[in-house]
Amino acid sequence: GEDVEQSLFLSVREGDSSVINCTYTDSSSTYLYWYKQEPGAGLQLLTYIFSNMDMKQDQRLTVLLNKKDKHLSLRIADTQTGDSAIYFCAESIPKTPLVFGKGTRLSVIA
Amino acid sequence: DTGVSQDPRHKITKRGQNVTFRCDPISEHNRLYWYRQTLGQGPEFLTYFQNEAQLEKSRLLSDRFSAERPKGSFSTLEIQRTEQGDSAMYLCASRKGTELNEKLFFGSGTQLSVL
Repeated sequence: GEDVEQSLFLSVREGDSSVINCTYTDSSSTYLYWYKQEPGAGLQLLTYIFSNMDMKQDQRLTVLLNKKDKHLSLRIADTQTGDSAIYFCAESIPKTPLVFGKGTRLSVIA
Repeated sequence: DTGVSQDPRHKITKRGQNVTFRCDPISEHNRLYWYRQTLGQGPEFLTYFQNEAQLEKSRLLSDRFSAERPKGSFSTLEIQRTEQGDSAMYLCASRKGTELNEKLFFGSGTQLSVL
């Protein structure tokens, strides 16, 4: 079945790295995504990774995928106050719409 | 091209009234999706279209919910006889239908409050 789990809250100091974790259950996932949502706004696609990759780096963002454990993480280097938002993990399974986790609220302390 | 556009941004209505939301997708995107998001939750899939065809509607929350995309461009989501439990953010998203990579682009949402 489809299920995506995330921890609900994370608090970090400005300048530190943030690591947001996600686990999923469906081994047929093809792509996994990270979206960012700021208050009162829609979801913004941050990055994604194909399921046969184990790492992807995009500027301050690093995505790590452990397909064996069905574990995905998003690392944000040099976290800034503007990174404060809710981060959603989502998995793409063939012939089904994207399944989202409940989101991790990242708070950055100046 | 300004991305996915939703209207209105906010809607306040009384219980029992009907409401309709509009979504204009990115112009070259032939797939359009509706999601609902309640407080503290992730987006929950409702329905989607490929061009004007509604390919999945079994997850619409009740028969009070309906969606259309008559000309394969903009879409509307209607909720009849609204209930307080319908209060949520309604998100529209679109993508090109030809790609395996399901990169969805979301609008800013319509926040519905049912009093």
